[in-house]
Amino acid sequence: QVQLHESGPGLVKPSETLSLTCTVSNGSISVYYWSWIRQPPGKGLEWIGYVYYSGHTNYNPSLENRITISVDKSKNQFSLRLTSTTAADTAVYYCARLSDYSPHKGSWYFDLWGRGTLVTVSS
Amino acid sequence: QSVLTQPPSASATPGQRVTISCSGSGSNIGSNFASWYQHLPGTAPKLLVLRNNQRPSGVPDRFSGSKSGTSVSLAISGLRSEDEGDYFCVSWDDSLNTWVFGGGTKLIV
Repeated sequence: QVQLHESGPGLVKPSETLSLTCTVSNGSISVYYWSWIRQPPGKGLEWIGYVYYSGHTNYNPSLENRITISVDKSKNQFSLRLTSTTAADTAVYYCARLSDYSPHKGSWYFDLWGRGTLVTVSS
Repeated sequence: QSVLTQPPSASATPGQRVTISCSGSGSNIGSNFASWYQHLPGTAPKLLVLRNNQRPSGVPDRFSGSKSGTSVSLAISGLRSEDEGDYFCVSWDDSLNTWVFGGGTKLIV
């Protein structure tokens, strides 16, 4: 079955850029929307943004000035870049697939998730 | 902290039924669908319920969802030890323009 796997550095220095990649296995990245979600230690989950296989993106307004999500169809991967990091960006980062695609996002849901990867922002 | 409110924990014995609540507002659950996820230790979160009360293929009918006003609930019947883990709800918020999450409920069986 289709699986998602997050990869990237587990430690990032403050003010540097956090970069993560999600690899889609046993399935195609095409036709779907792909998302990043994070959970700081002891806190709730936060949606970061999504990318469509065509490259169209939509970001959480609270983070949109610092994030870029992109897709590489040739590698069946999508990526997250988060700039100007602080300790507050320390979190488990999950990649997930969105489904439904009705005109209104109110019916969309995350039908597939990765296991997540912990990224610590510290000097 | 989390936009959607869930009890931090719930417990029941094997074979029993447990219900987990998720409370929101008119801008999220009140006007949009909600979904439920199971997150067992060391695994990826798994979709249990979509559009308030629909189960994806492969999810046992022991898991069921319902909605009333600005709240949704997840019921698990015939509890098994392997059901022990975290459960959280998600909904789109029209005011925040983001998906919002419940804080998660740790189920102890």
